[in-house]
Amino acid sequence: AQSVAQPEDQVNVAEGNPLTVKCTYSVSGNPYLFWYVQYPNRGLQFLLKYITGDNLVKGSYGFEAEFNKSQTSFHLKKPSALVSDSALYFCAVRDPYSSASKIIFGSGTRLSIRP
Amino acid sequence: DGGITQSPKYLFRKEGQNVTLSCEQNLNHDAMYWYRQDPGQGLRLIYYSQIVNDFQKGDIAEGYSVSREKKESFPLTVTSAQKNPTAFYLCASSIGDRPYEQYFGPGTRLTVT
Repeated sequence: AQSVAQPEDQVNVAEGNPLTVKCTYSVSGNPYLFWYVQYPNRGLQFLLKYITGDNLVKGSYGFEAEFNKSQTSFHLKKPSALVSDSALYFCAVRDPYSSASKIIFGSGTRLSIRP
Repeated sequence: DGGITQSPKYLFRKEGQNVTLSCEQNLNHDAMYWYRQDPGQGLRLIYYSQIVNDFQKGDIAEGYSVSREKKESFPLTVTSAQKNPTAFYLCASSIGDRPYEQYFGPGTRLTVT
């Protein structure tokens, strides 16, 4: 069965430093991978996706993610963190062979950027 | 201004009562979803609907029911059979051929005492 894991509950970074939020996946076949962000008491917002093509995908708010098939990872990155990036981040995966419109979310990583 | 609305933002109920959460979208999306979010657990799929008058159970459908009589509306009823209903409930929608790119509403926080 497909699954996604976010090994860190919390990531703390100083403003201006690069940030990485980790995600690994387990999917049969080629994965569709996504990142979403959730600000306090709000719904999720779509950040970026990988379906095929270039392993480095760019998304909203200066975020990017790198697909690594050999390591089954899809880490979210940003070269220079902002305090406003502080939020809850979810990695998600869809099995492209699934007949259902379902995506599986990870447990989330809380990103905290200190001034 | 297109989007998804969920009402109310906060909802309080006594144990043993059914309660219905509203979800409306004006994005003309075919598919709609209900998720439950608990601290440290991410999102879990309750029900989803790919077209009007059709819906499927997700991973945690027990104690919940839905209807999809109109394309823009997908209400969720939390019944008294749901053992632990207190949670944050999120509704989402997507275009039919891009189900992975979901648009979320602001959520309803349900507290049952």
